[in-house]
Amino acid sequence: EVQLEQSGAEVKMPGESLKISCETSGYSFVSYWLGWVRQRPGKGLEWMGNIYPGDSDTKYSPSFQGRITISVDKSITTAYLHWSRLEASDTATYYCVLSGRAFDFWGRGTLVSVSS
Amino acid sequence: DTQMTQSPSSLSASVGDRVTITCRASQAISKFLAWYQQRPGEVPHLLIFETSTLQSGVPSRFSGSGSGTEFTLTISNLQPEDFATYYCQKYGTAPWTFGPGTKVEV
Repeated sequence: EVQLEQSGAEVKMPGESLKISCETSGYSFVSYWLGWVRQRPGKGLEWMGNIYPGDSDTKYSPSFQGRITISVDKSITTAYLHWSRLEASDTATYYCVLSGRAFDFWGRGTLVSVSS
Repeated sequence: DTQMTQSPSSLSASVGDRVTITCRASQAISKFLAWYQQRPGEVPHLLIFETSTLQSGVPSRFSGSGSGTEFTLTISNLQPEDFATYYCQKYGTAPWTFGPGTKVEV
């Protein structure tokens, strides 16, 4: 059974850094793209980027390029989403997604709140 | 980059209705068009991939069609659990852009 276990909610201040995680199991980690999707409160879904764990090939949305870093640790089948400097506008729920066909599997989401 | 739009942005419907949602791409895309459902307070889930293929477990009242720049999601015989927001998504080649969503409400 595929499982995407996301890290817990975070409360941060503007300018702080943050790395959230998505621990996966139940499938061949290196063989499928993993992605991250943002959903601001009351708003729609926004694709942020994908990574292929087999070779760490990474694709970013132009809207997020340069503001986030997506990475993986193959040894623990975990994906990460990292910000070096958070802004209040980063307040959102972030979903880890697994792509077999489209986004077949979704994590339960990590709520990130950024406020001074 | 290809932009995705959806129409309508919201619609009112009743149980038993047939509902059609349109997704348009700013330029022709391949068959890699997906639809997702998100009920209030829940995680989105995949309904349809490759334009018209139902994800396992999705009721047959959902169907997808289209090609080029115009795609549709049809829900026949709307059920109470179908009141939700629906998103289309272009995938396969980056960027994997979502449409803005269509809210189906009573």
